[in-house]
Amino acid sequence: LAKTTQPISMDSYEGQEVNITCSHNNIATNDYITWYQQFPSQGPRFIIQGYKTKVTNEVASLFIPADRKSSTLSLPRVSLSDTAVYYCLVDRGGGTASKLTFGTGTRLQVTL
Amino acid sequence: DAGITQSPRHKVTETGTPVTLRCHQTENHRYMYWYRQDPGHGLRLIHYSYGVKDTDKGEVSDGYSVSRSKTEDFLLTLESATSSQTSVYFCATSSGGAPDTQYFGPGTRLTVL
Repeated sequence: LAKTTQPISMDSYEGQEVNITCSHNNIATNDYITWYQQFPSQGPRFIIQGYKTKVTNEVASLFIPADRKSSTLSLPRVSLSDTAVYYCLVDRGGGTASKLTFGTGTRLQVTL
Repeated sequence: DAGITQSPRHKVTETGTPVTLRCHQTENHRYMYWYRQDPGHGLRLIHYSYGVKDTDKGEVSDGYSVSRSKTEDFLLTLESATSSQTSVYFCATSSGGAPDTQYFGPGTRLTVL
Protein backbone atom coordinates (compact mmCIF):
# COMPACT_ATOMS: atom_id res chain seq x y z
CA LEU A 1 0.00 0.00 0.00
CA ALA A 2 1.14 3.52 -0.76
CA LYS A 3 2.89 5.33 2.08
CA THR A 4 1.68 8.77 2.98
CA THR A 5 3.48 11.93 4.02
CA GLN A 6 1.80 14.70 5.96
CA PRO A 7 3.02 17.61 8.12
CA ILE A 8 3.86 16.74 11.70
CA SER A 9 1.97 19.66 13.18
CA MET A 10 -0.11 22.72 12.34
CA ASP A 11 -1.42 25.66 14.34
CA SER A 12 -4.58 27.62 13.68
CA TYR A 13 -6.79 30.21 15.29
CA GLU A 14 -10.41 29.51 16.00
CA GLY A 15 -12.69 30.39 13.09
CA GLN A 16 -10.08 29.88 10.37
CA GLU A 17 -10.15 27.27 7.62
CA VAL A 18 -7.48 24.62 7.99
CA ASN A 19 -6.11 22.61 5.09
CA ILE A 20 -3.94 19.56 5.73
CA THR A 21 -2.25 18.12 2.68
CA CYS A 22 -1.13 14.53 2.39
CA SER A 23 1.07 13.16 -0.36
CA HIS A 24 0.75 9.60 -1.62
CA ASN A 25 2.82 9.38 -4.76
CA ASN A 26 2.49 5.62 -5.19
CA ILE A 27 -1.27 5.39 -4.90
CA ALA A 28 -2.73 2.54 -6.95
CA THR A 29 -5.82 2.53 -9.13
CA ASN A 30 -7.90 0.63 -6.57
CA ASP A 31 -6.83 2.69 -3.56
CA TYR A 32 -9.04 5.01 -1.56
CA ILE A 33 -7.95 7.89 0.65
CA THR A 34 -9.26 7.92 4.20
CA TRP A 35 -8.78 10.43 6.99
CA TYR A 36 -9.13 9.70 10.68
CA GLN A 37 -9.27 12.07 13.64
CA GLN A 38 -7.98 11.25 17.11
CA PHE A 39 -8.72 13.26 20.23
CA PRO A 40 -6.54 12.84 23.33
CA SER A 41 -7.30 9.67 25.27
CA GLN A 42 -9.62 8.35 22.56
CA GLY A 43 -9.33 5.96 19.66
CA PRO A 44 -9.15 7.34 16.10
CA ARG A 45 -12.43 7.87 14.34
CA PHE A 46 -13.25 7.99 10.63
CA ILE A 47 -14.02 11.46 9.30
CA ILE A 48 -13.97 11.29 5.51
CA GLN A 49 -13.06 9.07 2.59
CA GLY A 50 -12.74 9.60 -1.16
CA TYR A 51 -11.47 8.28 -4.45
CA LYS A 52 -11.27 11.35 -6.68
CA THR A 53 -12.41 14.98 -7.05
CA LYS A 54 -14.20 16.33 -3.99
CA VAL A 55 -16.09 14.79 -1.13
CA THR A 56 -17.92 16.79 1.52
CA ASN A 57 -19.70 15.77 4.70
CA GLU A 58 -20.86 17.55 7.81
CA VAL A 59 -17.38 17.52 9.31
CA ALA A 60 -14.91 18.19 6.48
CA SER A 61 -14.17 18.29 2.78
CA LEU A 62 -11.64 16.19 0.93
CA PHE A 63 -10.06 17.46 -2.27
CA ILE A 64 -8.30 15.00 -4.56
CA PRO A 65 -6.63 16.22 -7.77
CA ALA A 66 -6.85 14.28 -11.01
CA ASP A 67 -3.48 12.56 -10.58
CA ARG A 68 -4.48 11.46 -7.03
CA LYS A 69 -0.90 11.77 -5.80
CA SER A 70 -2.01 14.04 -2.99
CA SER A 71 -5.14 14.96 -1.11
CA THR A 72 -6.19 17.85 1.09
CA LEU A 73 -8.40 17.64 4.13
CA SER A 74 -10.23 20.92 4.67
CA LEU A 75 -11.77 21.83 8.01
CA PRO A 76 -13.97 24.92 7.73
CA ARG A 77 -14.01 27.44 10.59
CA VAL A 78 -12.20 25.32 13.15
CA SER A 79 -13.00 25.53 16.82
CA LEU A 80 -11.01 24.57 19.90
CA SER A 81 -12.70 21.17 19.79
CA ASP A 82 -10.99 20.41 16.47
CA THR A 83 -7.66 20.17 18.26
CA ALA A 84 -6.65 16.61 17.48
CA VAL A 85 -4.30 14.40 15.49
CA TYR A 86 -5.33 13.76 11.89
CA TYR A 87 -4.19 10.67 9.99
CA CYS A 88 -4.17 10.25 6.22
CA LEU A 89 -4.28 6.67 4.94
CA VAL A 90 -4.44 4.96 1.58
CA ASP A 91 -5.90 1.50 1.25
CA ARG A 92 -8.00 -0.58 -1.10
CA GLY A 93 -10.16 -2.44 1.38
CA GLY A 94 -10.79 -6.12 1.05
CA GLY A 95 -8.91 -6.82 4.24
CA THR A 96 -5.77 -4.91 3.40
CA ALA A 97 -6.10 -2.70 6.48
CA SER A 98 -3.52 -4.91 8.18
CA LYS A 99 -0.96 -3.40 5.81
CA LEU A 100 -1.75 0.16 6.80
CA THR A 101 0.75 2.39 8.54
CA PHE A 102 -0.88 5.07 10.65
CA GLY A 103 2.32 6.93 11.41
CA THR A 104 2.22 9.90 13.76
CA GLY A 105 -0.30 11.96 11.78
CA THR A 106 -0.67 15.76 11.83
CA ARG A 107 -1.18 17.33 15.22
CA LEU A 108 -3.55 20.31 14.83
CA GLN A 109 -3.59 22.84 17.64
CA VAL A 110 -6.40 25.38 17.58
CA THR A 111 -6.19 28.42 19.85
CA LEU A 112 -8.28 31.51 20.50
CA ASP B 1 -20.08 4.71 16.53
CA ALA B 2 -19.62 0.99 16.05
CA GLY B 3 -20.27 -1.07 19.16
CA ILE B 4 -16.72 -1.78 20.27
CA THR B 5 -15.86 -2.14 23.91
CA GLN B 6 -12.56 -2.88 25.57
CA SER B 7 -11.91 -4.26 29.01
CA PRO B 8 -10.36 -3.39 31.28
CA ARG B 9 -10.02 0.31 30.51
CA HIS B 10 -7.13 0.74 32.90
CA LYS B 11 -4.77 -1.81 34.38
CA VAL B 12 -1.64 -1.70 36.47
CA THR B 13 0.37 -4.88 36.75
CA GLU B 14 3.81 -6.07 37.68
CA THR B 15 6.61 -7.27 35.46
CA GLY B 16 6.39 -10.97 34.69
CA THR B 17 2.66 -11.39 35.19
CA PRO B 18 0.35 -12.46 32.35
CA VAL B 19 -2.24 -9.96 31.19
CA THR B 20 -5.25 -10.40 28.92
CA LEU B 21 -7.11 -7.56 27.25
CA ARG B 22 -10.51 -8.10 25.73
CA CYS B 23 -12.15 -6.51 22.73
CA HIS B 24 -15.83 -7.07 22.08
CA GLN B 25 -17.77 -5.93 19.00
CA THR B 26 -21.44 -6.00 18.12
CA GLU B 27 -21.02 -5.11 14.42
CA ASN B 28 -20.35 -8.61 13.13
CA HIS B 29 -17.22 -7.30 11.41
CA ARG B 30 -14.93 -9.92 9.94
CA TYR B 31 -11.64 -8.18 10.73
CA MET B 32 -10.34 -7.22 14.14
CA TYR B 33 -7.07 -5.54 15.06
CA TRP B 34 -4.96 -4.79 18.10
CA TYR B 35 -2.77 -1.67 18.06
CA ARG B 36 -0.52 -0.06 20.60
CA GLN B 37 0.11 3.66 20.74
CA ASP B 38 3.18 5.20 22.28
CA PRO B 39 4.45 8.79 22.18
CA GLY B 40 6.45 9.42 19.02
CA HIS B 41 5.39 6.17 17.36
CA GLY B 42 1.79 6.65 16.43
CA LEU B 43 -0.37 3.56 16.12
CA ARG B 44 1.41 0.26 15.50
CA LEU B 45 -0.32 -2.98 14.61
CA ILE B 46 0.32 -5.88 16.99
CA HIS B 47 -1.89 -8.67 15.61
CA TYR B 48 -5.01 -8.91 13.53
CA SER B 49 -7.71 -11.44 12.79
CA TYR B 50 -9.47 -12.13 9.51
CA GLY B 51 -11.99 -14.57 10.91
CA VAL B 52 -12.71 -16.91 13.78
CA LYS B 53 -9.50 -18.73 14.68
CA ASP B 54 -7.67 -16.91 11.85
CA THR B 55 -5.01 -14.52 13.07
CA ASP B 56 -1.73 -13.09 11.86
CA LYS B 57 1.15 -10.98 13.14
CA GLY B 58 1.51 -7.28 12.73
CA GLU B 59 4.46 -4.95 12.98
CA VAL B 60 5.17 -5.37 16.71
CA SER B 61 3.97 -8.85 17.67
CA ASP B 62 6.85 -10.05 19.87
CA GLY B 63 5.67 -10.77 23.42
CA TYR B 64 1.99 -10.82 22.44
CA SER B 65 -0.46 -13.52 21.45
CA VAL B 66 -4.09 -13.32 20.37
CA SER B 67 -7.10 -15.53 20.12
CA ARG B 68 -10.47 -15.27 18.46
CA SER B 69 -12.90 -18.05 19.30
CA LYS B 70 -16.02 -16.03 18.40
CA THR B 71 -16.68 -13.37 15.80
CA GLU B 72 -17.38 -10.78 18.47
CA ASP B 73 -14.38 -11.30 20.77
CA PHE B 74 -10.67 -10.75 20.18
CA LEU B 75 -8.28 -11.30 23.07
CA LEU B 76 -4.77 -9.92 23.40
CA THR B 77 -2.46 -11.67 25.86
CA LEU B 78 0.85 -10.48 27.18
CA GLU B 79 2.46 -13.75 28.20
CA SER B 80 4.86 -12.16 30.69
CA ALA B 81 4.42 -8.41 30.89
CA THR B 82 7.47 -6.15 30.66
CA SER B 83 7.84 -2.43 31.30
CA SER B 84 8.30 -1.87 27.55
CA GLN B 85 4.70 -3.02 27.08
CA THR B 86 3.40 -0.07 29.07
CA SER B 87 1.21 1.59 26.47
CA VAL B 88 -2.29 2.43 25.37
CA TYR B 89 -3.89 -0.45 23.49
CA PHE B 90 -6.62 0.06 20.91
CA CYS B 91 -8.82 -2.53 19.33
CA ALA B 92 -10.36 -1.88 15.92
CA THR B 93 -12.72 -3.67 13.58
CA SER B 94 -13.58 -3.46 9.91
CA SER B 95 -15.89 -5.26 7.53
CA GLY B 96 -13.21 -5.80 4.89
CA GLY B 97 -15.25 -4.18 2.15
CA ALA B 98 -13.89 -1.91 -0.56
CA PRO B 99 -13.51 0.83 0.47
CA ASP B 100 -13.05 -0.14 4.09
CA THR B 101 -13.21 1.79 7.34
CA GLN B 102 -11.77 0.90 10.71
CA TYR B 103 -13.76 1.51 13.88
CA PHE B 104 -11.77 1.88 17.07
CA GLY B 105 -12.54 1.07 20.66
CA PRO B 106 -11.95 3.48 23.56
CA GLY B 107 -8.56 2.04 24.45
CA THR B 108 -6.96 0.32 27.44
CA ARG B 109 -4.20 2.07 29.36
CA LEU B 110 -1.78 -0.56 30.63
CA THR B 111 1.02 0.19 33.07
CA VAL B 112 3.62 -2.46 33.81
CA LEU B 113 5.67 -1.71 36.92
